[in-house]
Amino acid sequence: QVHLVQSGAEVKKPGSSVTLSCKASGATFNTYAVTWVRQAPGKGLEWMGGFIPIVVTTNYAQKFQFRVTLSADESTTTAYMELRALKTEDTAVYFCALVEMATILDYYKMVVWGQGTTVIVSS
Amino acid sequence: SSELTQDPAVSVALGQTVRITCQGDSLSDFYASWFQQKPGQAPVLVIFANIQRPSGIPDRFSGSKSGNTSSLTITGALAEDEADYHCCSRDNTGHHHLFGGGTRLTVL
Repeated sequence: QVHLVQSGAEVKKPGSSVTLSCKASGATFNTYAVTWVRQAPGKGLEWMGGFIPIVVTTNYAQKFQFRVTLSADESTTTAYMELRALKTEDTAVYFCALVEMATILDYYKMVVWGQGTTVIVSS
Repeated sequence: SSELTQDPAVSVALGQTVRITCQGDSLSDFYASWFQQKPGQAPVLVIFANIQRPSGIPDRFSGSKSGNTSSLTITGALAEDEADYHCCSRDNTGHHHLFGGGTRLTVL
């Protein structure tokens, strides 16, 4: 069974950076892409971007394209999300999810989600 | 810019049927997915490709689409269905993804 485990909570200062990890078990990155979604307190879900490890291709939401970097280490089946120049508005729970590769170009099936990582940005 | 619009809150009596809608121009051209999220938990995919149900999702959950509106219907709502429901699709360019604001479902 495919399972995602995300790294622990982070507390950061404004202007700093954070790197979150997302480790997959029961799956390889040959058949999945990884997408990142965040949720501010009391708010809805917000898509940040996606990464296809097998071809090392990224696709960022316009809002984040200059501040976020997505990557992955296929040998450890771990995906990473770096967010730079943190603002207090970046306080949120950050989720990773696996997307079935066969669905990337059409219905983008986000089949498995990590448990989420809380990031608090505060001075 | 693209956006997906959902009603913030909907309620349904136990055992009755409820439809949750998601409206947006991009839905005319692209597939919709629906996610269920309970407090403090990660979202769970309940509908993909407008109408498909992942394995393990009860058949009381169904999806449909008409024009620029996607709908999630729960037939015979149970207390355990009380949750936030989020729709998701592509933006007008087709290159990026976006979520609706979410609908909080209360089962009375």
